[in-house]
Amino acid sequence: NAGVTQTPKFRILKIGQSMTLQCAQDMNHNYMYWYRQDPGMGLKLIYYSVGAGITDKGEVPNGYNVSRSTTEDFPLRLELAAPSQTSVYFCASNVGEGNTEAFFGQGTRLTVV
Amino acid sequence: AQRVTQPEKLLSVFKGAPVELKCNYSYSGSPELFWYVQYSRQRLQLLLRHISRESIKGFTADLNKGETSFHLKKPFAQEEDSAMYYCGGYNNNDMRFGAGTRLTVKP
Repeated sequence: NAGVTQTPKFRILKIGQSMTLQCAQDMNHNYMYWYRQDPGMGLKLIYYSVGAGITDKGEVPNGYNVSRSTTEDFPLRLELAAPSQTSVYFCASNVGEGNTEAFFGQGTRLTVV
Repeated sequence: AQRVTQPEKLLSVFKGAPVELKCNYSYSGSPELFWYVQYSRQRLQLLLRHISRESIKGFTADLNKGETSFHLKKPFAQEEDSAMYYCGGYNNNDMRFGAGTRLTVKP
């Protein structure tokens, strides 16, 4: 029962570097989401996808890009890392069409120095 | 704009005391409201949804459309309820959360 798997769990980046946070789910869920969790700010929606080939911006998309070439995978790309992107990133998926029982990954803790 | 507000970042109660975690929402249309919980070192998980009208782990939440609130309540808090609680809303395919309330239940 893998559910939602995120890799890596931890990463330290230097300012200006780029990286991709991976997210994969094996539940055949249509909808997938990326959030960042900052202390006192809660979860902020970065991007979401309602199916392969379809992505939409959330509340805080600047500095990030996503793609959804398959149902299973929803990678999040940081092109030019900035200290403001230091956060814990969570990927989630759900069946969609009004079903809000989302399944979350364990998170990726990213530090930009 | 779609928004969920949790006014309390921290809430501390004694074991056996009632607890209420506040949540207010601002949405166009009719969102689905829910509560998620994150226990220490565990993943975020769904606690309950307003459409289910259920009680999970003794918690209930009533949707008040007039006050645009969805407060989470439990009559007798337990130490194992200590966790981070997120209120959220779902509308037009996107799912958003409030800032969260950290509940601590003291022995």
